[in-house]
Amino acid sequence: KQEVTQIPAALSVPEGENLVLNCSFTDSAIYNLQWFRQDPGKGLTSLLLIQSSQREQTSGRLNASLDKSSGRSTLYIAASQPGDSATYLCAALSGAGSYQLTFGKGTKLSVIP
Amino acid sequence: EAGVVQSPRYKIIEKKQPVAFWCNPISGHNTLYWYLQNLGQGPELLIRYENEEAVDDSQLPKDRFSAERLKGVDSTLKIQPAELGDSAVYLCASSAGLAGVGEQFFGPGTRLTVL
Repeated sequence: KQEVTQIPAALSVPEGENLVLNCSFTDSAIYNLQWFRQDPGKGLTSLLLIQSSQREQTSGRLNASLDKSSGRSTLYIAASQPGDSATYLCAALSGAGSYQLTFGKGTKLSVIP
Repeated sequence: EAGVVQSPRYKIIEKKQPVAFWCNPISGHNTLYWYLQNLGQGPELLIRYENEEAVDDSQLPKDRFSAERLKGVDSTLKIQPAELGDSAVYLCASSAGLAGVGEQFFGPGTRLTVL
C-alpha cells in the first residue's frame, strides 16, 4: 500500500526567501506525482504534475522535481510571497490496473511580510 | 471554463439524518471522484466513476454511503443515516481520459457537520 509523507508539517519563512517542501513515497512504481495547494476552507488547486518518466516540471516561481528510485519529490518555491501562504499537498498516483491518488498530510506554509 | 461545481458548500445536520451532496464535473471529463478529507489529513478516495460506471468503490462504506452518476455527468453522494464521525469535507474531482491517470481537478468541497 502506497504511503506518502510530507516534511515539515509546517513552515514559516520571511517574504522573499526561497524554500523547499519535501515529499516521500514508499512505492516507487508510480504513474505520476501531483502537487496541490489548498487554502483554508477551499478545495485543492493543481500546481504541477510530473509524469513518472520526467525529472521536473516548472511553472512560474514553482519547480517540482521527481526521483522515483529514491521515492522523493520536492517543490521549490522561489522568492516567496505572502500570497503563497497555504497548505501544500503532494499526491502519488499508483496501483497499476486500478490507479489511486494517495495524498500526504500536507505542509502548512506561512510567508511573513 | 467552469471548474468542478459542488453544492451545498456547508451542511449541518443531526446524527441519524440523511444528507446528499451534488457534483458537476468539468465539461468533457469522463472520470469523476469523490474524496473524504478529515481535518489535518489529505483526501482519501471514496469512489471513482468512469462515465456511468463505478470502477473503484472499495473504500466506500456501503452500509450507509451510496453514490450515483446518472448519464455520466453529474453525481450525487448520499449518507443515510449520518453519524458523528462523518463530519468532514467531501471533495469531488474530475479528470479527462480513463483508468484514473489524468490530472485531477477539484471542486471547493462540502463541509459536513453532524451534531
